[in-house]
Amino acid sequence: SQQGEEDPQALSIQEGENATMNCSYKTSINNLQWYRQNSGRGLVHLILIRSNEREKHSGRLRVTLDTSKKSSSLLITASRAADTASYFCATRASSGGYQKVTFGIGTKLQVIP
Amino acid sequence: NAGVTQTPKFQVLKTGQSMTLQCAQDMNHEYMSWYRQDPGMGLRLIHYSVGAGITDQGEVPNGYNVSRSTTEDFPLRLLSAAPSQTSVYFCASSPRVWQPQHFGDGTRLSIL
Repeated sequence: SQQGEEDPQALSIQEGENATMNCSYKTSINNLQWYRQNSGRGLVHLILIRSNEREKHSGRLRVTLDTSKKSSSLLITASRAADTASYFCATRASSGGYQKVTFGIGTKLQVIP
Repeated sequence: NAGVTQTPKFQVLKTGQSMTLQCAQDMNHEYMSWYRQDPGMGLRLIHYSVGAGITDQGEVPNGYNVSRSTTEDFPLRLLSAAPSQTSVYFCASSPRVWQPQHFGDGTRLSIL
């Protein structure tokens, strides 16, 4: 079964607004990553947060991790039409299957100009 | 620097046919993996490899074989294609399993 589940599955916002996507996972993890997928393309890595980190920033991206709740969030600030894409979280377990990276079902973000 | 290259980009097969999806990377990455992507199901791990000569099963390995004879190449074989294997297949690689993965652009496979 898949490790991560993103919420919401679809999100539509106006350009300039902030977009927040959540990811919940089932087992203890070593790290959590967020990826972006433009239509018809492969995934592109955005940011990695380790299990001992609580927050990480990269440009307009802010990721938080709460290991006690087994959840993470991705915030995109001041969204642009070019941010329209699907966003996935990916986790690597800290034991049993630790050589596997598993993905959630994704959040489809539409930013309306 | 080509990154991860997948061939073919599109393929149509008949039920029962076999084929090999090719994946090559030129970054000397040890870790490689195959995923399938289906609507509403995200990416599911089929097989992965932590280095040449070492492969293991992911979440949905049935109907697929892999081998890793070189660091660069990680082909995925469909033994006897079934309509349920209609999907988009992605190959990915990273230096080590815990590091960010680089993805190819996918192979869109239809099985009639």
